[in-house]
Amino acid sequence: KAGVTQTPRYLIKTRGQQVTLSCSPISGHRSVSWYQQTPGQGLQFLFEYFSETQRNKGNFPGRFSGRQFSNSRSEMNVSTLELGDSALYLCASSLGDSLTEAFFGQGTRLTVV
Amino acid sequence: AQSVTQLGSHVSVSEGALVLLRCNYSSSVPPYLFWYVQYPNQGLQLLLKYTSAATLVKGINGFEAEFKKSETSFHLTKPSAHMSDAAEYFCASESNFGNEKLTFGTGTRLTIIP
Repeated sequence: KAGVTQTPRYLIKTRGQQVTLSCSPISGHRSVSWYQQTPGQGLQFLFEYFSETQRNKGNFPGRFSGRQFSNSRSEMNVSTLELGDSALYLCASSLGDSLTEAFFGQGTRLTVV
Repeated sequence: AQSVTQLGSHVSVSEGALVLLRCNYSSSVPPYLFWYVQYPNQGLQLLLKYTSAATLVKGINGFEAEFKKSETSFHLTKPSAHMSDAAEYFCASESNFGNEKLTFGTGTRLTIIP
């Protein structure tokens, strides 16, 4: 079956702009989580959506937001981009039950200039 | 709050030698524990997971890890390193309340010396 698909793979944006990243989970998976990976901070949890509802949230400013659609596809949006937002953004999908395996996409590499 | 600590940001081993990557967890209640591998410009792939069913967990690609509650450790091992094992490895934990949030260690970059 198809894996987790993240689009686009690479993105370059200017400070102050906003950006939307997309994640299509594995068919049948209802949970989508987002993580930010940077050399300095490592992998940090952004938020998790389950059945179109945000179920969990990390410690990121309100500029970071997300949503999930009825087909479980998820988008995350970052407004007023800062240089420090440059990172690899990873999406993970799972069935959403306790302790089911999370499958990661290849990520979107965002560069803010 | 739970956390995981990976000792050694870089580890180098010779091809054919034992691989040992260290991970310690900090939690009042033993969490669920995972090891993930990341190849350059790729996402994360699950190697193995501990869910309290068995303390010795076998994963893919010949890796295994042993959960030791007395040492709060979950070290990853492989008896014989292969060149294809060169990658970054992450230890992660999830609270056993099943909140779908993974807390990652800082990662260990494994280099294999020919």
